[in-house]
Amino acid sequence: ETGVTQTPRHLVMGMTNKKSLKCEQHLGHNAMYWYKQSAKKPLELMFVYSLEERVENNSVPSRFSPECPNSSHLFLHLHTLQPEDSALYLCASSQALVAEQFFGPGTRLTVL
Amino acid sequence: AQSVTQLGSHVSVSEGALVLLRCNYSSSVPPYLFWYVQYPNQGLQLLLKYTTGATLVKGINGFEAEFKKSETSFHLTKPSAHMSDAAEYFCAVSDRDSGTYKYIFGTGTRLKVLA
Repeated sequence: ETGVTQTPRHLVMGMTNKKSLKCEQHLGHNAMYWYKQSAKKPLELMFVYSLEERVENNSVPSRFSPECPNSSHLFLHLHTLQPEDSALYLCASSQALVAEQFFGPGTRLTVL
Repeated sequence: AQSVTQLGSHVSVSEGALVLLRCNYSSSVPPYLFWYVQYPNQGLQLLLKYTTGATLVKGINGFEAEFKKSETSFHLTKPSAHMSDAAEYFCAVSDRDSGTYKYIFGTGTRLKVLA
């Protein structure tokens, strides 16, 4: 595997389910990011990790819970989501916080 | 405060015509500037970046951008559009001010290429 991978690519879940999104970067980068991309809305930065420490949390509801166990892996744990949480969730990584970001293909999430 | 403005959420050009996508930024310190492209059902891909040095930056797929400090602009151009250029394009700015980093994306411009 090369670059940034995300699994699953598609996820359909009910409002009472618990699921997790996984991101893995094979680039040796130090920073990782979660973004939410909804139709007709700007890209929303959710969480930023640098050297496995969370450095930014942009007022994201607590039903989204990130986890960064090491510099190569990033998870987004989901529980009791709402239909408006349906979106494309993108993971990215970068060598430094101001450097260019490399994105995964995204997980298309649908909440029923 | 740092910000990015992309003028025109939708741009249409004919195949073979000049592509011009506009990006203006504000930053209190010298910024790093980026253009990304996103094809349907994919993540964003870096087209080009400006950090320091030469203000005309060349990227992949024949795109280039020029950093104009006096105009606080970083417009993306391509001399001749190809059907495969149809995608969404995002301008981004990053800087580190007083120890705090910021990385902001514009709202995107969807490019349509007409045959």
